[in-house]
Amino acid sequence: TQLLEQSPQFLSIQEGENLTVYCNSSSVFSSLQWYRQEPGEGPVLLVTVVTGGEVKKLKRLTFQFGDARKDSSLHITAAQPGDTGLYLCAGERTGTYKYIFGTGTRLKVLA
Amino acid sequence: DAMVIQNPRYQVTQFGKPVTLSCSQTLNHNVMYWYQQKSSQAPKLLFHYYDKDFNNEADTPDNFQSRRPNTSFCFLDIRSPGLGDAAMYLCATSSPGRETDTQYFGPGTRLTVL
Repeated sequence: TQLLEQSPQFLSIQEGENLTVYCNSSSVFSSLQWYRQEPGEGPVLLVTVVTGGEVKKLKRLTFQFGDARKDSSLHITAAQPGDTGLYLCAGERTGTYKYIFGTGTRLKVLA
Repeated sequence: DAMVIQNPRYQVTQFGKPVTLSCSQTLNHNVMYWYQQKSSQAPKLLFHYYDKDFNNEADTPDNFQSRRPNTSFCFLDIRSPGLGDAAMYLCATSSPGRETDTQYFGPGTRLTVL
């Protein structure tokens, strides 16, 4: 069974701090997505990474896909209260059109 | 804007009373998925369609069924809802091969079972 472990599970920080969320697996994925989900809403896509070693930036968010395509990280610089939410990574199981979700990281940014 | 639409956003049903949730998409994607998400947990895949081909997850209860009459629409039928079926139900789509494989989610339907 392919599993994606996210860490930390919970994170509460002050506005302006930096943070990193990790998504790890022993399996290789053909692509990996990061989503942010707010209460009562569906997950909203932040980024898709495909190539091993790929780095993508989205304003204050930096995403990295591991060289072996087994792990990924999300780094937020100068966190803001609007970043509060549940962050989910999801890896595509090669050739199956199915996605394995990580265990989730609940982030709270305090003003 | 092209999107994934779910109706209704909130659904209340009674224990044992059949309920149908609907999903439509304007993305013309081949694959449509249904997920169940309980409070603060990751979404759990129930089943998916690749075009008309239905793919059920091994641990999806028989109580859950799905229909996809055409490319744009997909339905989730819960034949006899139990209290444990109260959850957020998420529909998603993807288009393998056409673009970088990515799932796009609808806003979800929150199901309450009384």
